[in-house]
Amino acid sequence: ELKVEQNPLFLSMQEGKNYTIYCNYSTTSDRLYWYRQDPGKSLESLFVLLSNGAVKQEGRLMASLDTKARLSTLHITAAVHDLSATYFCATYTRSAGKSTFGDGTTLTVKP
Amino acid sequence: GAGVSQTPSNKVTEKGKYVELRCDPISGHTALYWYRQSLGQGPEFLIYFQGTGAADDSGLPNDRFFAVRPEGSVSTLKIQRTERGDSAVYLCASSPDGGAGTDTQYFGPGTRLTVL
Repeated sequence: ELKVEQNPLFLSMQEGKNYTIYCNYSTTSDRLYWYRQDPGKSLESLFVLLSNGAVKQEGRLMASLDTKARLSTLHITAAVHDLSATYFCATYTRSAGKSTFGDGTTLTVKP
Repeated sequence: GAGVSQTPSNKVTEKGKYVELRCDPISGHTALYWYRQSLGQGPEFLIYFQGTGAADDSGLPNDRFFAVRPEGSVSTLKIQRTERGDSAVYLCASSPDGGAGTDTQYFGPGTRLTVL
């Protein structure tokens, strides 16, 4: 059974600080997604990572993928309050069209 | 342009009742997905449509759950004999072509189902 584990599950950080969220998955995946979810809202796609060594950056967020280690990271640089949200990683199996999500990391950025 | 829409946004029902949840995907998207999200958890895959056919329904928890997409656009998730454990937010997503390219999934706002 494919499992996706994120850590930490809860993260409180000060504005201006850096931190990394980790996403481990148990079996081979065709691609890796990162999503953002604000309270009471739906999911917004942030990044899709297709191959080993892939790195994507958007603003203060940078995602990377190591398929050999089955690990993806979401790095936050100089956090700001607007980044407060829950972040999910998800694997994708093309043959089945199935995504498996982690339980999410709830990030709170404090002034 | 219009995104994925879901109706109703909230549904409260009694145990044992039948409910239908509707999803309108982005126009032209051939792939459509249903997920269920319980409080404090990530979305859980239910079913994936490619066009009119269910390409993978392995996530449906039991035979009380059924979904259709008769014309390859709008989809309806049907739940019979609802149970309190069915309470969750049901999310629908669509993508241009499941299995190709980066295939970003665009999520709807969800239907919050409460079974009393």
